[in-house]
Amino acid sequence: SAVISQKPSRDICQRGTSLTIQCQVDSQVTMMFWYRQQPGQSLTLIATANQGSEATYESGFVIDKFPISRPNLTFSTLTVSNMSPEDSSIYLCSVQPRQWTYEQYFGPGTRLTVT
Amino acid sequence: AQTVTQSQPEMSVQEAETVTLSCTYDTSENNYYLFWYKQPPSRQMILVIRQEAYKQQNATENRFSVNFQKAAKSFSLKISDSQLGDTAMYFCAFMGFMIKAAGNKLTFGGGTRVLVKP
Repeated sequence: SAVISQKPSRDICQRGTSLTIQCQVDSQVTMMFWYRQQPGQSLTLIATANQGSEATYESGFVIDKFPISRPNLTFSTLTVSNMSPEDSSIYLCSVQPRQWTYEQYFGPGTRLTVT
Repeated sequence: AQTVTQSQPEMSVQEAETVTLSCTYDTSENNYYLFWYKQPPSRQMILVIRQEAYKQQNATENRFSVNFQKAAKSFSLKISDSQLGDTAMYFCAFMGFMIKAAGNKLTFGGGTRVLVKP
C-alpha cells in the first residue's frame, strides 16, 4: 500500500470562496482519484488525475468548479471553487499504487463545511 | 452503468459473534473486481478484502471472508468473532476490468453501519 496525507484535515469556509485541498503520497503512483462523500452518503468519484494531462471528470462534475492539478507522480490538488453550503462534504483522494493493479488506497479525507 | 446496492442500512452484533453484510451489484461485464471498505469514525477508508470475479474461490482475510455468487451478482461480507474495533461503516465497491493501465473508478454502495456491542 501507500502512505497518503491530505491537507487540510478540515476547514470551515464562507460561501463564495475557494479552498484547495492537497494530497501527498509517499511513493510515485500512476493514478490518483478524487472522491466526494456528502453527509451520511456514500463516495462519488469526482475525477481521475493523470500526471502530465488533463483530469478526467465524471458526469455532474466540471473543471470550472473542481479544478485539479497533478504536477508530479506524488502530489495532486483539488480546488473547490465558489463554494456554497451544498459543497459541505468530505473530500478524499485515493491512489492506485501500481500500474495494471486494481487496488485503491485512500487518504484520511478533508472535512469541508461551508457556511 | 454499474450499480451497487447494500440493502442493510444498519446492523448490530454482540462482541465475539458473527455478522454478515449483503451486497448486490448490476453489471454486464464478465471480468471485474469487488471490494469491501471499512470507514470507522475517523473517516479513514480502509481496504478490508478484495475479490477477482474470475476466481471461484472466496477471498478470506483473517476474520473477514466473502461469499461471492457471480451468477446471482451477490458479494456478502462475513465478520467472524466481532470486535469492538469493527464498529464502522462498511462499503461494498465495484471496479470494472481495466482496459488500460490507467485503471478504473470504484463504484460504491450506500454503506452499512455496523455496531459491535460489548
